[in-house]
Amino acid sequence: DIQMTQSPSTLSASVGDRVTITCRASQNINNWLAWYQQKPGRAPKLLIYKTSSLQSGVPSRFSGSGSGTEFTLTISCLQPDDFATYYCQQYNSYSLFTFGPGTKVDIK
Amino acid sequence: EVQLVESGGGLAQPGGSLRLSCEASGFTFSDYWMSWVRQAPGKGLEWVANIKPDGSDKFYVDSVRGRFTISRDNAKNSLYLQMNYLGADDTAVYFCAKAKLGDFDYWGQGTQVTVSS
Repeated sequence: DIQMTQSPSTLSASVGDRVTITCRASQNINNWLAWYQQKPGRAPKLLIYKTSSLQSGVPSRFSGSGSGTEFTLTISCLQPDDFATYYCQQYNSYSLFTFGPGTKVDIK
Repeated sequence: EVQLVESGGGLAQPGGSLRLSCEASGFTFSDYWMSWVRQAPGKGLEWVANIKPDGSDKFYVDSVRGRFTISRDNAKNSLYLQMNYLGADDTAVYFCAKAKLGDFDYWGQGTQVTVSS
């Protein structure tokens, strides 16, 4: 099974900060990596797919990078609407998808 | 506009059963893999099951395999999750999601399943 880890688990930041979240896979996932934002009581929202492709309608301050087993989500200039929990997800095979444990971004 | 609307959640006794439904609209349902994802209270997201567009292939997370069955009716634009032998660990909000290439571009609002005596 492919295991996903994220770091940090919690991140305290201020509006305007540059924020980076790391996601690691236990084996090569061929860049089949997505990032989601979730706010309390809401369904997750797709931000990035295939490691670095920006989902339609998502602000360009969000970007993704990485390859193989290590990936990052960067928010270039944190906005008030960005305080949320972020999850990575690998989808290398339809037989098994896995989410990371999440990173909560809160206000410093 | 794409919409996914879940129903069928509620309170179930340990060992009991529930059947979740998800009605889809706004896209060609029969063209896409569909999935169920759950989230236990205060916890992260957990993928539960996938089903191929024609229903011929189905995959499950280990913790539900043999107890849960994913199915679909393309004529009714509907996705289902039959959940048997429910346990306390199955308590969660269950989301249906449309898989673009495995990434989930649309999600339902979720339906709460609580397993308790």
